[in-house]
Amino acid sequence: GENVEQHPSTLSVQEGDSAVIKCTYSDSASNYFPWYKQELGKRPQLIIDIRSNVGEKKDQRIAVTLNKTAKHFSLHITETQPEDSAVYFCAADGGYSNYQLIWGAGTKLIIKP
Amino acid sequence: DADVTQTPRNRITKTGKRIMLECSQTKGHDRMYWYRQDPGLGLQLIYYSFDVKDINKGEISDGYSVSRQAQAKFSLSLESAIPNQTALYFCATSAKGGGYTFGSGTRLTVV
Repeated sequence: GENVEQHPSTLSVQEGDSAVIKCTYSDSASNYFPWYKQELGKRPQLIIDIRSNVGEKKDQRIAVTLNKTAKHFSLHITETQPEDSAVYFCAADGGYSNYQLIWGAGTKLIIKP
Repeated sequence: DADVTQTPRNRITKTGKRIMLECSQTKGHDRMYWYRQDPGLGLQLIYYSFDVKDINKGEISDGYSVSRQAQAKFSLSLESAIPNQTALYFCATSAKGGGYTFGSGTRLTVV
């Protein structure tokens, strides 16, 4: 079955700098790769997603890239702001088995003032 | 309007008590999930249901049971609560092949 690894587990960046979080997956049949942001004590919320027929997707300061050959995808946040501090989770679907999401372990992003 | 609603939001219960957490949704999704999250950790799948007649165990189902009363309702029960079940519990819904929508969570403390 699908396995998703996420790195780093903690990332500290200076406000205004960029942050990159990377995930690898194991099932080449996976088609859907979302990213979720979870603020302290709150629910995870979808911030951006990408499907396997697309290599990159952007939404203002955030972008996701997908390399299907290497089976990895990354979240890029530019011009980081204090409100970007949160835990970020990546996920990949189970492909043709049942399309259930398999989750990475999460990255705690800390924005230093 | 909240589209995935969890009740209660907070609950303190005693060891050995039976407790039910409820989840309802207005998304029209067939798929519903229960997750557990311990402080500082990730999401662990307890049970999931792809339709009203379909119930599946997740990675940490021991000590838990579920009921899918309708397409819109999915409840989680702790048969005999123990302190290490103290955690934040999330319900989520999805369409097939789509992203998940999470409820606001239930913070459960077992004393």
